[in-house]
Amino acid sequence: QAVVTQEPSLTVSPGGTVTLTCGFSTGAVTSGHSPYWFQQKPGQAPRTLIYETNNKYSRTPARFSGSLLGGKAALTLSGAQPEDEAEYYCLLSYDDARPWVFGGGTKLTVL
Amino acid sequence: QVQLVESGGGVVQPGRSLRLSCAASGFTFSNYVMHWVRQAPGKGLEWVAVISDDGSNKYYADSVKGRLTISRDNFKNTLYLQMNRLRPDDTAVYYCVWGLGHWGQGTLVIVSS
Repeated sequence: QAVVTQEPSLTVSPGGTVTLTCGFSTGAVTSGHSPYWFQQKPGQAPRTLIYETNNKYSRTPARFSGSLLGGKAALTLSGAQPEDEAEYYCLLSYDDARPWVFGGGTKLTVL
Repeated sequence: QVQLVESGGGVVQPGRSLRLSCAASGFTFSNYVMHWVRQAPGKGLEWVAVISDDGSNKYYADSVKGRLTISRDNFKNTLYLQMNRLRPDDTAVYYCVWGLGHWGQGTLVIVSS
């Protein structure tokens, strides 16, 4: 069964740039996997930042962007703010039988 | 304003059943796919199930197939998750999600004797 992989933890300096990635154990991630990215802060429900690779909601801060990078889905944060410290999850569409699979999450520290 | 309000969580013994509900408002419920996602205490997110806009298509995670059933009532603007033969590893916060873009606040299910 395919596994979705994310970096367990990353650290970024305030104002810095960091890229989180989301890979598939079976091969490259493509736009056909419809990558989503979610942010979750302690004690809160997740909120969706990016849908279908690189689309933002009106509420998504402009400093977040999504892309495909080196066979993985990527979430780039440019100009990190202290309030961006959170857990970030990606979600990929797998196949008709098991349509969606989350990655294990990346704990992002802004320090 | 979109609102998704889950209810029905609680403490239940292993092997018993529970039904979760999610009352939706602020959008045309009958036009959209709906999901359930869960999160065990201190763990990551786990996708559970999805249902098409008219309820005709449903898909499940392997871990819940045959025990959990997603359904909807488009007249009541409500999403359901019928949970049977519950196990301790079903203990989690269960979130209702509209089209993967909007999340409810979740309802906690604890399976314990």
